[in-house]
Amino acid sequence: SQKIEQNSEALNIQEGKTATLTCNYTNYSPAYLQWYRQDPGRGPVFLLLIRENEKEKRKERLKVTFDTTLKQSLFHITASQPADSATYLCALDTTDKLIFGTGTRLQVFP
Amino acid sequence: GAGVSQTPSNKVTEKGKYVELRCDPISGHTALYWYRQSLGQGPEFLIYFQGTGAADDSGLPNDRFFAVRPEGSVSTLKIQRTERGDSAVYLCASSLGTVNTGELFFGEGSRLTVL
Repeated sequence: SQKIEQNSEALNIQEGKTATLTCNYTNYSPAYLQWYRQDPGRGPVFLLLIRENEKEKRKERLKVTFDTTLKQSLFHITASQPADSATYLCALDTTDKLIFGTGTRLQVFP
Repeated sequence: GAGVSQTPSNKVTEKGKYVELRCDPISGHTALYWYRQSLGQGPEFLIYFQGTGAADDSGLPNDRFFAVRPEGSVSTLKIQRTERGDSAVYLCASSLGTVNTGELFFGEGSRLTVL
């Protein structure tokens, strides 16, 4: 069956360090992948989109990689700040809709 | 408004009642999506509209769930004979074209509690 897996455990890191979140998928062949941020009680907010022919994408302190052979995307936040604390969701396209992973909660402490 | 608007933000109802949840997408967005999110889970796809028609309703869990978008703008998700398992946050999102043209813009959600 199709599955999208993200770290179910919360990720706790110290301010200033790099946070790395993982998204693994099986039985999909997505043309692209998206990452969203979700704060408690709010809707998800789009961060980055990466296409299957792109190995890496950057936006300010964010970096996403996409390895279609490993079926994995890594999401990095460099120089993390307490304001980066949130749940981060990866999502894969299936032609006409996005399918989301369960999300990883990131906690950045001072 | 500039964003996706969902009403009500909170709805508490009794088992067996009928519920309607409304979504007002960003003006000009032709695609509209409904997702459902339970605590600690990612959004679960329910239905996708392109214009007025439901292009993909494969995520609707059963025939108690129905959604309409009669004029290609506002959409209503309708749940008949609600059950306690329907309790969740119902999220609506819109986008300019099909999903592979870019991001989805989400509303803040409607939290449904079935007692």
